Amino acid sequence: QQQVKQSPQSLIVQKGGISIINCAYENTAFDYFPWYQQFPGKGPALLIAIRPDVSEKKEGRFTISFNKSAKQFSLHIMDSQPGDSATYFCAARPSGNTGKLIFGQGTTLQVKP
Amino acid sequence: EPEVTQTPSHQVTQMGQEVILRCVPISNHLYFYWYRQILGQKVEFLVSFYNNEISEKSEIFDDQFSVERPDGSNFTLKIRSTKLEDSAMYFCASRPGTSYNEQFFGPGTRLTVL
Repeated sequence: QQQVKQSPQSLIVQKGGISIINCAYENTAFDYFPWYQQFPGKGPALLIAIRPDVSEKKEGRFTISFNKSAKQFSLHIMDSQPGDSATYFCAARPSGNTGKLIFGQGTTLQVKP
Repeated sequence: EPEVTQTPSHQVTQMGQEVILRCVPISNHLYFYWYRQILGQKVEFLVSFYNNEISEKSEIFDDQFSVERPDGSNFTLKIRSTKLEDSAMYFCASRPGTSYNEQFFGPGTRLTVL
């Protein structure tokens, strides 16, 4: 069964702190791992993504760490800002042409000023 | 910047009624998707559509659901006889092509079944 498990469910971080969200997957036939950011009333928007042949990817304050052997990947938000307060979803794409995404349960991040 | 649009933003319907949710994907995109998100839960894949046919569907996408691309711009999701448990946010997404990974999501339609 293809599943992605995400934790924690919610996270409160002080401004300037590091936010860490973890995901684990149960199927090795995934070829793409994106993180989506969702603000209330909006659709998910791609934040950053990684392929399984890379162990880390950094874009500004956002970093994905990927551990293929452990089937885990995580999002690190450095210098967290109140504007980062949103729901974050990890996802995984099964290999193949349809491109469907399997999402984790989501993490609600609150960054306190 | 091109974006996926969806109408209506909120649809209220009575149980057993048919609803059609509409999406306009980004022009020139080739892959289209519907996802749903029950309040407070994760986003779930419903169906993917490519080359005018369904390429994959989930267990959720039963005979009550159908999709159509009636013209070159619209992509619709029809629920024939709505149930209370169909109440959710429905997101449309599109992707340019096979070699491009990112899916672009619309703002969603909130469906409330009474």
